[in-house]
Amino acid sequence: EADIYQTPRYLVIGTGKKITLECSQTMGHDKMYWYQQDPGMELHLIHYSYGVNSTEKGDLSSESTVSRIRTEHFPLTLESARPSHTSQYLCASSGDRGRNQPQHFGDGTRLSIL
Amino acid sequence: QKEVEQDPGPLSVPEGAIVSLNCTYSNSAFQYFMWYRQYSRKGPELLMYTYSSGNKEDGRFTAQVDKSSKYISLFIRDSQPSDSATYLCAMIRNSGNTPLVFGKGTRLSVIA
Repeated sequence: EADIYQTPRYLVIGTGKKITLECSQTMGHDKMYWYQQDPGMELHLIHYSYGVNSTEKGDLSSESTVSRIRTEHFPLTLESARPSHTSQYLCASSGDRGRNQPQHFGDGTRLSIL
Repeated sequence: QKEVEQDPGPLSVPEGAIVSLNCTYSNSAFQYFMWYRQYSRKGPELLMYTYSSGNKEDGRFTAQVDKSSKYISLFIRDSQPSDSATYLCAMIRNSGNTPLVFGKGTRLSVIA
């Protein structure tokens, strides 16, 4: 059973606020990912990391930033939230480098920007 | 052309039916294949993970991979209303550190 946690589950906040979405995993996985998913739509990879101090941008351009200071923690930050950032954000992790293990997902943060 | 194609549905079947969900892909570098199930307002949950061509069975679920045709399938036997969800196929290239590539997902409704 995968142990990956996202907080908050739901967030409604005004335009211009700085937001940090938290993601933690207890499996010691090197690889972590952030996806954006609008309701009923496909997953879009926005950031990923293959280890501490390693981050890459994904396929979908995003105004968010990420950091990976600790293996278990991969927060996503929006410096100034806008209504176009309203979406569901899913965090995932997978096993050891080079072993092509499947990803395990958290339950997501549903973000609404007013 | 997208690397992974999946019919988004929606697909509606009666309870007890056999469901067939499919994905095609264009890049022969894909070597590892997965099926995820996603309920509304939840994250995707891993259902099946396969590497080689052929069938893999787990309870009512069977994953089938045909690498020569670049085609993968998920079969659900004796479908239940609790199987109503979106099913996503996903695959990874056999080149080490590359992210998963997902299909768009097929929305399935099983009607009691």
